[in-house]
Amino acid sequence: QLQLQESGPGLVKPSETLSLTCTVSGDSISGSSHYWGWIRQSPGKGLEWIGSIYYSGTTYYNPSLKSRVIISVDTSKNQFSLRLSSVTAADTAVYFCARNYGDYVNWYFDLWGRGTLVTVSS
Amino acid sequence: SYVLTQPPSVSVAPGKTARITCGGSNIGSYSVHWYQQRPGQAPVLVIYYDSNRPSGIPERFSGSNSGNTATLTISRVEAGDEADYYCQVWDSSSDHRGLFGTGTKVTVL
Repeated sequence: QLQLQESGPGLVKPSETLSLTCTVSGDSISGSSHYWGWIRQSPGKGLEWIGSIYYSGTTYYNPSLKSRVIISVDTSKNQFSLRLSSVTAADTAVYFCARNYGDYVNWYFDLWGRGTLVTVSS
Repeated sequence: SYVLTQPPSVSVAPGKTARITCGGSNIGSYSVHWYQQRPGQAPVLVIYYDSNRPSGIPERFSGSNSGNTATLTISRVEAGDEADYYCQVWDSSSDHRGLFGTGTKVTVL
């Protein structure tokens, strides 16, 4: 059964870089034809797509975050990762990883991790 | 940039029908997906490509999409349907990007 699990520090200082990893079990990132994505949700707010990546390294990013985001993949560990630089309190959120599914660049997110709360504070 | 607008809240009595709208310019030309999110949990896909239900989602959930409005309909509402609901599209008008609606809180009276 496919599962996704986010991991990483729960507290990041302002101006530093947020780093999270999503470990995929029950499916092979490199053996599937899916993209894999990051979505976040600020406290009490709605969902915001951050970006998505293919096992080959092809990425799509939210234009509003593109200058600060890097998503990478490690197929040997069946993981993909998020790095968000120069964080501020506005980046405090629950970060979810999810599988993109469906037609190319017309995806939905069919499976999600449980999410991890990252707080930006000194 | 493209915007998806949902009503902040919808209230419905048990056994009745809830309709949650998602408004966007010519949204009928997009494929719309819907998610249910209960407090403290990850979102769950309930409708994909406008009107398709994933395995395990009750038939009470249905979707439609035309013109400038997509609609998620929950028939015979139950207490367990109380949650936040989000629509989502993929906007390829410029950069390819995933876009979520503003979200609707469904309250079962």
